[in-house]
Amino acid sequence: KQEVTQIPAALSVPEGENLVLNCSFTDSAIYNLQWFRQDPGKGLTSLLLIQSSQREQTSGRLNASLDKSSGRSTLYIAASQPGDSATYLCAVTGDYKLSFGAGTTVTVRA
Amino acid sequence: KAGVTQTPRYLIKTRGQQVTLSCSPISGHRSVSWYQQTPGQGLQFLFEYFSETQRNKGNFPGRFSGRQFSNSRSEMNVSTLELGDSALYLCASSFTGDELFFGSGTQLSVL
Repeated sequence: KQEVTQIPAALSVPEGENLVLNCSFTDSAIYNLQWFRQDPGKGLTSLLLIQSSQREQTSGRLNASLDKSSGRSTLYIAASQPGDSATYLCAVTGDYKLSFGAGTTVTVRA
Repeated sequence: KAGVTQTPRYLIKTRGQQVTLSCSPISGHRSVSWYQQTPGQGLQFLFEYFSETQRNKGNFPGRFSGRQFSNSRSEMNVSTLELGDSALYLCASSFTGDELFFGSGTQLSVL
């Protein structure tokens, strides 16, 4: 059974600092890994999708890396802003089923 | 392009009742999956449908069921509601099963 872990559970940083969010998974037989953002009481917004054959993906201030052999992914958010405050979740896909981590709640202080 | 639409947005039911939630995927998407989110258990996979066929199912009791119609719209049904079924129910659609796009969810409260 796939287990997805996100550390830390919560993070508070001053505006402008770079964010580093970690995700680890136990079964390396994945099709892809996706990072999401969730605001309180809302649905999930897709940030980045990394296919199993890729090593990283970038979109604006966001960069995500994937190391399948070690079962790890890292999401970098450059020059954080108060609007980046949210919960960030990673999810891995295998056998048409998505397994989620518990998320990292980020607070960016103005 | 319209996103994933879930209705209703909020629902209040009492124990023992049943409930049906609806999800309309992004146009052209044939895969619809459902998830339950609670503060204690996080996000848990319920089931996934592709072209009207259930492809995979999570570890939930038989009270949770779903179906998908020929237009890819999907419904989820929960019978004999329990207090522990109170949660945010999210559905997601995908073209091939890769990148998932989520709706805003249905917040279900069971009293």
